[in-house]
Amino acid sequence: EPEVTQTPSHQVTQMGQEVILRCVPISNHLYFYWYRQILGQKVEFLVSFYNNEISEKSEIFDDQFSVERPDGSNFTLKIRSTKLEDSAMYFCASRDRGPGNTEAFFGQGTRLTVV
Amino acid sequence: AQKVTQAQTEISVVEKEDVTLDCVYETRDTTYYLFWYKQPPSGELVFLIRRNSFDEQNEISGRYSWNFQKSTSSFNFTITASQVVDSAVYFCALSVRGSNYKLTFGKGTLLTVNP
Repeated sequence: EPEVTQTPSHQVTQMGQEVILRCVPISNHLYFYWYRQILGQKVEFLVSFYNNEISEKSEIFDDQFSVERPDGSNFTLKIRSTKLEDSAMYFCASRDRGPGNTEAFFGQGTRLTVV
Repeated sequence: AQKVTQAQTEISVVEKEDVTLDCVYETRDTTYYLFWYKQPPSGELVFLIRRNSFDEQNEISGRYSWNFQKSTSSFNFTITASQVVDSAVYFCALSVRGSNYKLTFGKGTLLTVNP
């Protein structure tokens, strides 16, 4: 069964460093999302991406964040200068197009720890 | 804007008890989609069910059942004869077409099933 794959599963980085979280969405999907979950809290929407551009972003998604689809398979989230409060689980999701395809499929998440 | 409320922060039951997790949602859209996800201690999000706003039929899947009531804007989840493996955080979520089907999550309910 096709699945969304995220790498790495766990990343530890020093405050101020740049990190890139990688995702390989399901191959025929066209809509991509990043969500964040701070430990013990709810899952929050960060950004949605379609047709090589951001379609919507939340207030969390400030200038420190960027997303890219550098090739036909990867979808990345970059945090330019990490802060302690960026420590969280980051989930990538993808969705197929079509009126019946309302469900997004999630990757297993990347746990980011900023020290 | 969409909102999902899960008033129960934590629930603790003894194995074989039935347990109901509550979910109340708010949206002005007439077409929307409701979801339940399970998050075990390993951290991934496991999709359980999707329900369309125009389909108010309740659903049963094994020990799981869902009660969707538009009149009270609720989408409650019942586990019958709970098992220790059901211990997890359960999230209710909502999406609408106008927001690229991004998910708005509730804060989650931590269910602990004790042997």
